Amino acid sequence: DTEVTQTPKHLVMGMTNKKSLKCEQHMGHRAMYWYKQKAKKPPELMFVYSYEKLSINESVPSRFSPECPNSSLLNLHLHALQPEDSALYLCASSNKKAGTSGSSEQFFGPGTRLTVL
Amino acid sequence: TQLLEQSPQFLSIQEGENLTVYCNSSSVFSSLQWYRQEPGEGPVLLVTVVTGGEVKKLKRLTFQFGDARKDSSLHITAAQPGDTGLYLCAPGQGGSEKLVFGKGTKLTVNP
Repeated sequence: DTEVTQTPKHLVMGMTNKKSLKCEQHMGHRAMYWYKQKAKKPPELMFVYSYEKLSINESVPSRFSPECPNSSLLNLHLHALQPEDSALYLCASSNKKAGTSGSSEQFFGPGTRLTVL
Repeated sequence: TQLLEQSPQFLSIQEGENLTVYCNSSSVFSSLQWYRQEPGEGPVLLVTVVTGGEVKKLKRLTFQFGDARKDSSLHITAAQPGDTGLYLCAPGQGGSEKLVFGKGTKLTVNP
């Protein structure tokens, strides 16, 4: 299985809602990522989990809260979002080990298209 | 900070034409990846180049890594509408798990 799955595919939420995005991979990858992508822009890194521990937080606002329950799952909990948070949220995984020189080839899910009203 | 530039930013061509897109930096890369992203989907890895001067072919796509490992190019022969998408380059970050993308080249191949 070389697939990264994400649910839901589309999500519309109000600014007072709490919702979660889910990501799953069964490739045995130990690094998992959340990216945010606005229209006509490249993906921007938000968080990296390595061996189920948060290793990189790119100064993301606390209204985004990541969680890695196990090596196959990655969640992104959303609370009190703003309309400018509307974007495509991409999950990715890789076999990259921090501190090693190997390349960080990443496998991406199809994304969740989030709209905040 | 590593400056990564992709050119052109936009490219619209007719089916059957050839094209080349570029990824350039002021820094030396340990490796470089090319991804293609179709609208509404996640990026898909096309190739990783590691050695200076390396050339890799993937059907009609030819990837080249510069001798100094500061630049790379992607050449598409006889483009097809299915090649339409956003082409992103991303250099390896050494020991980090981070992947930083260039701004991409948006390619449209018209039938």
